Amino acid sequence: EVQLVESGGGLVQPGGSLRLSCAASGFTFSSYAMHWVRQAPGKGLEYVSAISSNGGSTYYANSVKGRFTISRDNSKNTLYLQMGSLRAEDMAVYYCARRVAAAGTRGGWFDPWGQGTLVTVSS
Amino acid sequence: QSALTQPASVSGSPGQSITISCTGTSSDVGSYNLVSWYQQHPGKAPKLMIYEGSKRPSGVSNRFSGSKSGNTASLTISGLQAEDEADYYCCSYAGSSTLYVFGTGTKVTVL
Repeated sequence: EVQLVESGGGLVQPGGSLRLSCAASGFTFSSYAMHWVRQAPGKGLEYVSAISSNGGSTYYANSVKGRFTISRDNSKNTLYLQMGSLRAEDMAVYYCARRVAAAGTRGGWFDPWGQGTLVTVSS
Repeated sequence: QSALTQPASVSGSPGQSITISCTGTSSDVGSYNLVSWYQQHPGKAPKLMIYEGSKRPSGVSNRFSGSKSGNTASLTISGLQAEDEADYYCCSYAGSSTLYVFGTGTKVTVL
């Protein structure tokens, strides 16, 4: 079964740091680009960050650029999101998702998603 | 990059059909055949329902269908059932500078 399990969320003070992890199983992790998407309480989905299958390329939404770092360890089948200088507006459930795409195309879709991990930013 | 525009809510009676629109621009929906749709029940993770505009993943009911015309994509749910009550989000690939943009989300209510 293809599965993604996030961990590492919790309560952090404004300006603090947190590292999220996403453990993958049931598929060849090193063959897929991986993404982070977040959802603030009662709000919609917001695209956050992406990393290529070999980790050589990364992408960040403007809202997190310079504060968040995405990385992966293909030997451990794990995706990470290092979050720094956290703000109240970063409070959300963070989902990791596998990007699936047709051969030869850049874009694709997300399947599956993890169950999410809640990050609370508050003093 | 602005979010794709969806109606905040759509409702229908059991057995009816409803359609959710997703309006973007020529930089995203209009440029790529890469619109996907996700269903999200309260407290749960999003689930892929439609990809590449109109394709259904294995296991998704054929009551769900997708289409696109110009800068607007649509999700139609036919034979509405109680379990279809959820939030629905569209998503489009938007090129190498932006990658992906999500819709604002639509709450579907089964009356």
